[in-house]
Amino acid sequence: EAAVTQSPRNKVAVTGGKVTLSCNQTNNHNNMYWYRQDTGHGLRLIHYSYGAGSTEKGDIPDGYKASRPSQENFSLILELATPSQTSVYFCASGGGGNAEQFFGPGTRLTVL
Amino acid sequence: QQKVQQSPESLIVPEGGMASLNCTSSDRNVDYFWWYRQHSGKSPKMLMSIFSNGEKEEGRFTVHLNKASLHTSLHIRDSQPSDSALYLCAASRGSALGRLHFGAGTQLIVIP
Repeated sequence: EAAVTQSPRNKVAVTGGKVTLSCNQTNNHNNMYWYRQDTGHGLRLIHYSYGAGSTEKGDIPDGYKASRPSQENFSLILELATPSQTSVYFCASGGGGNAEQFFGPGTRLTVL
Repeated sequence: QQKVQQSPESLIVPEGGMASLNCTSSDRNVDYFWWYRQHSGKSPKMLMSIFSNGEKEEGRFTVHLNKASLHTSLHIRDSQPSDSALYLCAASRGSALGRLHFGAGTQLIVIP
């Protein structure tokens, strides 16, 4: 089965601090995605990538940057964290088109 | 407003009963629907997908799709306590980027 891992699994950050969330996939999928999940909103797409070196804005990109240095790794960067970014973040990988997306275990981020 | 609307927000059914969940997209360009299941504290996992009019059955789970109304429904017969979870509906356009638009989800509780 597809394998997507995330680190850290839990993170407490201070307002104004920099936070980097990491994601690794061993599926050799071209596409990777970052979502956040908040009660009442389901999963909302922040950034995605269709290959190494590419990043695209999703539906809620403000306050976030992304980096895809290799096929396997995709990072989400919060340069100046705010309490409104407290959430659970999921990374996913997929083959594109109408292929299934496989999700990592999630990172719970709390910004104080 | 979300492009994918799910109803009901929550649903309580007795063990052995039938659970029916609904999902509609307001984006007429979508052509593929997905149902993901997310147990508490876990990551979403794909349950079923459908792109053709009609129905698709896998064990106790049946998915219906009406492409004209962009409405899909998930039916779970002989519901089990282990079916208690958040059910997320997603829609996609079938592009190479594989973007999914998720609804807010239906929280299903199956009471023994």
